[in-house]
Amino acid sequence: NAGVTQTPKFQVLKTGQSMTLQCAQDMNHNSMYWYRQDPGMGLRLIYYSASEGTTDKGEVPNGYNVSRLNKREFSLRLESAAPSQTSVYFCASRGQNIQYFGAGTRLSVL
Amino acid sequence: GENVEQHPSTLSVQEGDSAVIKCTYSDSASNYFPWYKQELGKRPQLIIDIRSNVGEKKDQRIAVTLNKTAKHFSLHITETQPEDSAVYFCAASLSWGKLQFGAGTQVVVTP
Repeated sequence: NAGVTQTPKFQVLKTGQSMTLQCAQDMNHNSMYWYRQDPGMGLRLIYYSASEGTTDKGEVPNGYNVSRLNKREFSLRLESAAPSQTSVYFCASRGQNIQYFGAGTRLSVL
Repeated sequence: GENVEQHPSTLSVQEGDSAVIKCTYSDSASNYFPWYKQELGKRPQLIIDIRSNVGEKKDQRIAVTLNKTAKHFSLHITETQPEDSAVYFCAASLSWGKLQFGAGTQVVVTP
C-alpha cells in the first residue's frame, strides 16, 4: 500500500516549456487535490476532483490544467511554464475527511 | 471564501515546555479543522483534527481546542521534545473537503 505517489520528484523547466505532474493513489479514495507550497504561504489549492470524472478550480488555478484520468490518477499540467510557477507541488487524496499527501514535486522554472 | 490566519509564524521553546499555536477562520460554515506537521523536505502529515461538534480533543502530548463562537482553534503541545521541531499548519475545511491552510508556524525546540 504505497498511499499517494507523485512523479517526478524534481524538475527544472525553461520558461514556456510544458510538463505534466503525475499523481496516483491506491486507497480507493474518491476525492483528490493539487496544492502548491511557497515559502511563508502555506499550501494553496490549485484544482480538485471530488470524484472520478469531475474537476473544479481551487484558489490559484491560473496557468494550470488537470485531468482525472480514472479513480486512481489525477494529473496536473503546466502548458507554458512561468518563473512564478516555481514551487513545491503536492497531490493529496481524501478518505474519511483525512487528506493524505504525496511526497511532492519540486519544480523550478528558469 | 474561507480565510485562515495562523500565529505565531515562528515559535522557539525550551525542551519540556509547552507550545501553543493559534488560528482563526472566517467562514462559520467550516466544520472540520485538521493540524498538519511538516518536517523539512517531507510531506505534510496529519497529527490531530477536530470537528465542529467537539470543543476539545487530546492525543497524548497534543491537544486541540475549538471555539466556534469566536471562530478560533488552537494546538497545544506539552512536554516538547526536539523531534517536535517542524512546521505546523492549521486548516479549515470548506465544501467537498477542500482545505484552506494557515501560513504555518515554524517550531524550534531547543535542548
